[in-house]
Amino acid sequence: SAVISQKPSRDICQRGTSLTIQCQVDSQVTMMFWYRQQPGQSLTLIATANQGSEATYESGFVIDKFPISRPNLTFSTLTVSNMSPEDSSIYLCSVERGDEPYEQYFGPGTRLTVT
Amino acid sequence: EDKVVQSPLSLVVHEGDTVTLNCSYEVTNFRSLLWYKQEKKAPTFLFMLTSRGIEKKSGRQTSILDKKELFSILNITATQTGDSAIYLCAVSTTGANSKLTFGKGITLSVRP
Repeated sequence: SAVISQKPSRDICQRGTSLTIQCQVDSQVTMMFWYRQQPGQSLTLIATANQGSEATYESGFVIDKFPISRPNLTFSTLTVSNMSPEDSSIYLCSVERGDEPYEQYFGPGTRLTVT
Repeated sequence: EDKVVQSPLSLVVHEGDTVTLNCSYEVTNFRSLLWYKQEKKAPTFLFMLTSRGIEKKSGRQTSILDKKELFSILNITATQTGDSAIYLCAVSTTGANSKLTFGKGITLSVRP
């Protein structure tokens, strides 16, 4: 498996502001993913972040709203921009390790509340 | 559009009971099916099933994949209160990005 940490673990933010969430992995990984889980819902993929290239966004998610950085093979950030109450969710990063193909492991998540 | 359907949506059992959680899927270019347990925020990986590994067992949990009928089950025997959680099923497809499509999850409550 992989040891994944996320910061912050939770935050309460005001409408119109932005929050950057960090994801750190204990080893180099090729594929990193960002998911959102809205209250009472399942996980939805926001984007895939590969080092050295731009993130690939899923339908319904755009770079202006959710800019992502992937500066190296152990770290990524997701920014939630110009927040509204509808952005209140748990945000999770996950990784797929090359030596355990197809298995994805999740970080502890960031619980975001927008007031 | 890829689809993953889990049933039942919720389940209440007593300690010692056996439960079976269901997951059916309709996806193009199936690669693998994964089961996760979610207690607080982070889903914890349980099993991954592919065409090479259609049955996996770990302790009281067994998972089976039927690629012909496009479904999987997660069976838990001798349930304990610590098994109470949301169980998520996800399917991975082939391609450049290994995205997971999740079902809505099954809420399992195990009562003493």
